[in-house]
Amino acid sequence: GQQVMQIPQYQHVQEGEDFTTYCNSSTTLSNIQWYKQRPGGHPVFLIQLVKSGEVKKQKRLTFQFGEAKKNSSLHITATQTTDVGTYFCAGTPFSGGYNKLIFGAGTRLAVHP
Amino acid sequence: GAGVSQTPSNKVTEKGKYVELRCDPISGHTALYWYRQSLGQGPEFLIYFQGTGAADDSGLPNDRFFAVRPEGSVSTLKIQRTERGDSAVYLCASSFLAGESDTQYFGPGTRLTVL
Repeated sequence: GQQVMQIPQYQHVQEGEDFTTYCNSSTTLSNIQWYKQRPGGHPVFLIQLVKSGEVKKQKRLTFQFGEAKKNSSLHITATQTTDVGTYFCAGTPFSGGYNKLIFGAGTRLAVHP
Repeated sequence: GAGVSQTPSNKVTEKGKYVELRCDPISGHTALYWYRQSLGQGPEFLIYFQGTGAADDSGLPNDRFFAVRPEGSVSTLKIQRTERGDSAVYLCASSFLAGESDTQYFGPGTRLTVL
């Protein structure tokens, strides 16, 4: 079946360092979405990427969608303690007809002051 | 309220019991989704409603799981003869439409513990 793999599982950084998480799908995606889940919380939508090669920025966060629409990345510049949480990518397969999200297992980010 | 709400927030039950989990989507959202999230994993799709009908229930693990949305708003996920392996956080999400690019907004989840 369709799978979305995410690496690394866990990342521990010092405040001010950069952080990147990578997402790879076994099939071509219609779009990819990124969510952030704080400890004890629920997934909160961050952004959606639709076009091949698309790059979007939100302040210190940069999101990329691969040319083949099978991989994506999230890069955080100069991490802060407020960035702590688990970052999930979620892909929508083609031909689903609706937004059936296939989630990766997430990357848990710990930021030490 | 402005967001998706779910009740109860926590549910502890014994193996073999029946449970119902409720989801109240954002007003006006036509699409509703149920996911299950086990510890250390991403949410796993269970079922999708468009209006009152279950358009895709391919993620339901077996026939002990059933969900309804009789009036196209509130949905109830029902689990019969609960097993310890059913313990997880059950998340509900809704979106205004059901297109591939429509953003899903998640509720806080119900943490189910089966003893």
